[in-house]
Amino acid sequence: GEDVEQSLFLSVREGDSSVINCTYTDSSSTYLYWYKQEPGAGLQLLTYIFSNMDMKQDQRLTVLLNKKDKHLSLRIADTQTGDSAIYFCASAGGTSYGKLTFGQGTILTVHP
Amino acid sequence: DGGITQSPKYLFRKEGQNVTLSCEQNLNHDAMYWYRQDPGQGLRLIYYSQIVNDFQKGDIAEGYSVSREKKESFPLTVTSAQKNPTAFYLCASSVNRGRRDTEAFFGQGTRLTVV
Repeated sequence: GEDVEQSLFLSVREGDSSVINCTYTDSSSTYLYWYKQEPGAGLQLLTYIFSNMDMKQDQRLTVLLNKKDKHLSLRIADTQTGDSAIYFCASAGGTSYGKLTFGQGTILTVHP
Repeated sequence: DGGITQSPKYLFRKEGQNVTLSCEQNLNHDAMYWYRQDPGQGLRLIYYSQIVNDFQKGDIAEGYSVSREKKESFPLTVTSAQKNPTAFYLCASSVNRGRRDTEAFFGQGTRLTVV
């Protein structure tokens, strides 16, 4: 079945950029999502990208998609302490029609 | 105010008991989902339902059961057959547009602890 992989931890200094990476296996995935989860809470959709796009920018967030390598990244500019959370990459479509397949999540820690 | 409501937020269960987690949405979404979250394992799909009176098993359905009698509601029962039920459970819903996009909206979760 579909598999989505992320690195587990990322630590950055406040004001720096953060880059969270994700790889997926289903080349027919049509939508790719980034979700944020704060402690003890549900998931909040941050942004998404359609598979025919290479890049999407939304304020401090930039999503890059390399469809050939099946690699997705989320860049957070000017990272703040409030950005500390778990970030999940998810794919939809293809063999995962009608449901999302999630990565393990990346724990982002922002130091003052 | 539209959204997804999960209740209760915390739940304690004795071993051998069944317990039901509630999920209600007023977003008029066709599809609803249950995920289980364990540390370091991301979210794993338990069951999902694309339409009322129909549901499918996800990747880890054993020991769980669901019903979808109403569009707004998708309760999850954790049965005594589930060997390791202590986890954080998340419910989600999405519009079923007939396309392959599945932007899902999540509830705040229920933390189940077996004592």
